[in-house]
Order: sequence, then structure tokens, then C-alpha cells
Amino acid sequence: SQKIEQNSEALNIQEGKTATLTCNYTNYSPAYLQWYRQDPGRGPVFLLLIRENEKEKRKERLKVTFDTTLKQSLFHITASQPADSATYLCALEMYSGGGADGLTFGKGTHLIIQP
Amino acid sequence: DAGVIQSPRHEVTEMGQEVTLRCKPISGHDYLFWYRQTMMRGLELLIYFNNNVPIDDSGMPEDRFSAKMPNASFSTLKIQPSEPRDSAVYFCASSWGQVNTEAFFGQGTRLTVV
Repeated sequence: SQKIEQNSEALNIQEGKTATLTCNYTNYSPAYLQWYRQDPGRGPVFLLLIRENEKEKRKERLKVTFDTTLKQSLFHITASQPADSATYLCALEMYSGGGADGLTFGKGTHLIIQP
Repeated sequence: DAGVIQSPRHEVTEMGQEVTLRCKPISGHDYLFWYRQTMMRGLELLIYFNNNVPIDDSGMPEDRFSAKMPNASFSTLKIQPSEPRDSAVYFCASSWGQVNTEAFFGQGTRLTVV
């Protein structure tokens, strides 16, 4: 079956360092992959979308890579700040025989940036 | 635009009661999604609509769950009868153009069934 895996353990990073989060998927070849941020008590907020023909995408201090051979996306936050502390979710569309099934999310990785 | 608006923000109900969650998508968005989030299972897609038509409801857990979208600016998710295992945060999201573009989420409804 199709599966999205993110590190369920919290990731503790010292302020100023680069945080790297991993999203692995199996049994699927998505055309797009997205990253969202979720703060406690709030809905997920879109950060970046990367297409299968894009190896890397950047937005300010954020960088996403997409390796379709490894079936993996890496999400980097450079010069991390305590305000970056949140849960980060990766998402991709799933397809079944009937067509697109909508965005499917990983369980997310909780990132803690320590001052 | 005020974004995706969900109501109520919190709902506490007794087992067996009917629960109705409401969502107003962003104006102009043609896709609407209902998700459920729990610690154990994460964010699960329940159903989604395109132009008010349900496209995929394979994520709806049981017949006790139903969703409607009578017009482009309103959708409901109903649980009848509710059970304690339905306790979760329910999110509504909307997007424009394609099913896999950026989704805008509401603040969610925290449902507790006692």
C-alpha cells in the first residue's frame, strides 16, 4: 500500500543551525510534493510545493529537495530560529483506479529550535 | 478574504447525539476537503468535493459520517450517531484549480464525544 513516512520523534536543533526534516514515501510516484507547517491549535499552513522534475526549490530560509529515485524529500530550514518551532508535514496526492484521491499527509515531524 | 471558516471551534457532545460541523471555503475555490486529525493516525482525508460534487469519499470511516456541499460557499460534515472514537480535530480545506495545489486550511473543530 502507499505510505508516507516522517520521523515521528521530535527534532531538537540549536538556534542558528540548519534543521533537516525527511519525508519518505513508498509504492508511489507523485508528480508533486508539498510541505506544510502546523502550530498547536491551528490548521496546517502551506509552505512549498515541488514538482517531480524539480530537484530543489527555495523560499527565503527554506529549501526543499525531491529525489524521485530515492522516493524522498528533504526539507531544510537554514539559520533556524525559535519561531520555526512547529510540526512540519509533507503531503502528496494519491491516485487510485478512480483518479486523484486528494492530498495525503504524513504524520509530521515536531521541530524544536532551542535558543 | 477571511480564509476558510469553520464552526464551531469546539464541540462537546454525548455519545449517540448528532453532530454537524460547518465550513465556508475561500471564495472562488473549487475544491473542498474534509480532514480528521488524531495523534494516532495523523491527518486523514475523509472526503473531497469539486464544484460542489463529491469526488472521493473513500476516507469516510463509516455510514455514520456524511458530508454535503449544497453550494459553493458552504459544506457540512455530519456524524450520526456520534461515538467516543470520533473525538478528533476536524479540518476543512479549500483549493483552486487542481486537487494537488496549495490547500488552505481552516482553524479546525475540536470534537469531543463523551
